[in-house]
Amino acid sequence: IQLTQSPSSLSASVGDSVTITCRASQGINSYLAWYLQQPGKAPKLLIYAASTLQTGVPSRFSGIGSGTDFTLTISSLQPEDFATYYCQQVNSFPYTFGQGTKLEIK
Amino acid sequence: QVQLVQSGAEVKKPGASVKVSCKASGYTFSSYHMHWVRQAPGQGLEWMGIISPNGDSTTYAQKFQGRLTMTRDTSTSTVYMELSSLRSEDTAVYYCARDLTIFGPGEPGYWGHGTLVTVSS
Repeated sequence: IQLTQSPSSLSASVGDSVTITCRASQGINSYLAWYLQQPGKAPKLLIYAASTLQTGVPSRFSGIGSGTDFTLTISSLQPEDFATYYCQQVNSFPYTFGQGTKLEIK
Repeated sequence: QVQLVQSGAEVKKPGASVKVSCKASGYTFSSYHMHWVRQAPGQGLEWMGIISPNGDSTTYAQKFQGRLTMTRDTSTSTVYMELSSLRSEDTAVYYCARDLTIFGPGEPGYWGHGTLVTVSS
């Protein structure tokens, strides 16, 4: 299953809201996770089952979707949110990742 | 708290093998699936495979079939990833990651810090 994220990169300012999309090449129910990765660090799980916030993740992160189309929304961007975001499907092996979306400060 | 401590950086020659370890603590080791994910320099994440909680089942991404072996040792709470016939394209940071819940397999919820493997002649 291929996952296509868009955009590949985007620029925004602190306080803005942004949305990242992830499209699967075939239906994956709600078996989609979102990760944040800061430079030089391991990925961090933000959302699983398409819309469930991982413990400790701020409520400004939200996810929605099922089937083939998913979105991650970050409201009121904070400085620590500028990083690269990945989606991953865990519906069937191999558990593929999207190519990533780099969020940069404008 | 969940901790995954990986072995140190490795430098290998083309054709050699590498074995990376990941020592777990802070939870019941034999209850969770474990993943390996790698990231080449400047590139995205690539899922390599998964091993079942008791180690009796593994699933590998097709591109690694025949070169990748995942094992786990319950006595030391350690999982291992061995990749053979190394080539320059295998240069990457390799991450171990634990399933989020005991009801897996599912999404990796906890990650190790990564191990850099450099393949160079």
